[in-house]
Amino acid sequence: EIVLTQSPATLSLSPGERATLSCRATQSVNNYLAWYQQKPGQAPRLLIYDASNRATGIPARFSGSGSGTDFTLTISSLEPEDFAVYYCQQRSNWPRLFTFGPGTKVDIK
Amino acid sequence: QVQLVESGGGVVQPGRSLRLSCAASGFTFSNYGMYWVRQAPGKGLEWVALIWYDGSSKYYADSVKGRFTISRDNSKNTLYLQMNSLRAEDTAVYYCAKDLFSGCSGDCYPDYWGQGTLVTVSS
Repeated sequence: EIVLTQSPATLSLSPGERATLSCRATQSVNNYLAWYQQKPGQAPRLLIYDASNRATGIPARFSGSGSGTDFTLTISSLEPEDFAVYYCQQRSNWPRLFTFGPGTKVDIK
Repeated sequence: QVQLVESGGGVVQPGRSLRLSCAASGFTFSNYGMYWVRQAPGKGLEWVALIWYDGSSKYYADSVKGRFTISRDNSKNTLYLQMNSLRAEDTAVYYCAKDLFSGCSGDCYPDYWGQGTLVTVSS
């Protein structure tokens, strides 16, 4: 079973700064990786799918990169509404499983 | 606009059953695979189950296999999760979510999510 780890667990930054979040898989997931944002009391929102494709309506300051086992979510310049928890998620075809990472909390410094 | 509204949550004793529903609107429900994902209080996300757009295939997390059943009624635009033999560790907010693209057959990702319904398993 593929396990996802995310680092750091918490990232303390100021508005306007660049955020770089990491997600690592225990074995290759090809590019079958997504990123979600979750704010307190809200449902998750899909940001990035297939490692680097922005979902509909997601601002250009969010970008994803990587393949195989190492992936990165970058927020080029943090807006006040970007402070939240971010999860990566992989999908595998055999067995058909979907796994989430433990999350990275981006909070205000 | 897409709307997913979960219902059926509540407090239930260990070993008992509960059925969750998810009413969908704003998209052609019968064209999309659907997911259940849960989140224990203060914890991360855990995928629970997936059903193809036509209901022909269903997949489950090991933690719920044999106890939970996902189903759908495309004539009613509704997704279900039948939960049997509930355990304390099943306590969570349960979200339903639609697939990213139509006809994905599980080769996509949960896209739009409902607001969730809380299930508490406690004696």
